[in-house]
Amino acid sequence: DAKTTQPPSMDCAEGRAANLPCNHSTISGNEYVYWYRQIHSQGPQYIIHGLKNNETNEMASLIITEDRKSSTLILPHATLRDTAVYYCIVSGNTPLVFGKGTRLSVIA
Amino acid sequence: ETGVTQSPTHLIKTRGQQVTLRCSSQSGHNTVSWYQQALGQGPQFIFQYYREEENGRGNFPPRFSGLQFPNYSSELNVNALELDDSALYLCASSRRDSSYNEQFFGPGTRLTVL
Repeated sequence: DAKTTQPPSMDCAEGRAANLPCNHSTISGNEYVYWYRQIHSQGPQYIIHGLKNNETNEMASLIITEDRKSSTLILPHATLRDTAVYYCIVSGNTPLVFGKGTRLSVIA
Repeated sequence: ETGVTQSPTHLIKTRGQQVTLRCSSQSGHNTVSWYQQALGQGPQFIFQYYREEENGRGNFPPRFSGLQFPNYSSELNVNALELDDSALYLCASSRRDSSYNEQFFGPGTRLTVL
């Protein structure tokens, strides 16, 4: 079973920041937080990952709370092409376990 | 840099038949993982191959088997197909020597079992 809890769906206005929350209260010390997204009918796409520090790349920012029990993926300026299912996954050197994710709809 | 490719893109089989799906990993990647994604669900881990050997398996029966070749490409074989095997089959490649579970997925093969 997935070790994360995410809201099933969210809406975001185009051009605004999309903040996607994830709870992972049972995360272990050696486990990372990964985010993937899946655009309709395509394979999942890696976005970002982190251990305990906040991370940023060209796609998104990842904010992890100090106790590591939750995190937030931030898409700073959402576009229509960001409409997808976003998966938050907690993993060490073990296979990725996908839950149902959050369906983000970016609205014009 | 070539990404992960899968073939075929779509496939229709009948119950009881056998199927082989193929995956070419991304350049520089030595590990291949296979996932099954039923409609409306997240991908489920089937197994992973590293150095041509199975290296981890999810909750799938033995009729799901695989191979990895010296060039790191891989095959997924499913015997005695059942209706519930209808799904999108995803292949993902990664670097084993990386400490991160950063996987690169192919576009998938859509299998329909009638």
